[in-house]
Amino acid sequence: AQSVTQPDIHITVSEGASLELRCNYSYGATPYLFWYVQSPGQGLQLLLKYFSGDTLVQGIKGFEAEFKRSQSSFNLRKPSVHWSDAAEYFCAVVDSYAGKSTFGDGTTLTVKP
Amino acid sequence: DTAVSQTPKYLVTQMGNDKSIKCEQNLGHDTMYWYKQDSKKFLKIMFSYNNKELIINETVPNRFSPKSPDKAHLNLHINSLELGDSAVYFCASSLGSRRNTIYFGEGSWLTVV
Repeated sequence: AQSVTQPDIHITVSEGASLELRCNYSYGATPYLFWYVQSPGQGLQLLLKYFSGDTLVQGIKGFEAEFKRSQSSFNLRKPSVHWSDAAEYFCAVVDSYAGKSTFGDGTTLTVKP
Repeated sequence: DTAVSQTPKYLVTQMGNDKSIKCEQNLGHDTMYWYKQDSKKFLKIMFSYNNKELIINETVPNRFSPKSPDKAHLNLHINSLELGDSAVYFCASSLGSRRNTIYFGEGSWLTVV
């Protein structure tokens, strides 16, 4: 069965600092990987996704993520964090056969002024 | 126009009651979902429908019954509500269920007292 681990429950960074949110997955075949962001009181919004090809993918709001098969990781990065990036971030893996999505437990990002 | 809309947004009800949450999407998607997000923000899939057919049914009490009258609608009916049912329920949709982005509604906050 597929699984997703986000090791960091809560991360605090200063505005303007760089950010990396970790995501590790477990899946037998080539995974379909996603990062979503959830602002307070809102639903989830897609930041970026990876299916195949270039392992560095660009997303919205200046985010990028790198797929590393050898490490079973899909970490999310941003070079300079803005106060509006404070939110909950979810990594997800989708079963390429059945289409079932599994979400990580989320990482709460706090941005200090 | 709201892409995935669900009603009601807030619902407070007593234990033992029966309640429904309605969901509609105007994106032309063929797959719809119900997710549950608990107080710790853990997000778990409950059901998935493709072209009105149930394709994913996770370990959910049979007090929860989804109904999809057509591809654009997926309602969730809950019988005999319990305190543990208090959560945020998200409706979502996608085109297919593997590679494509899942679009989330804004959530329905259910509180059982």
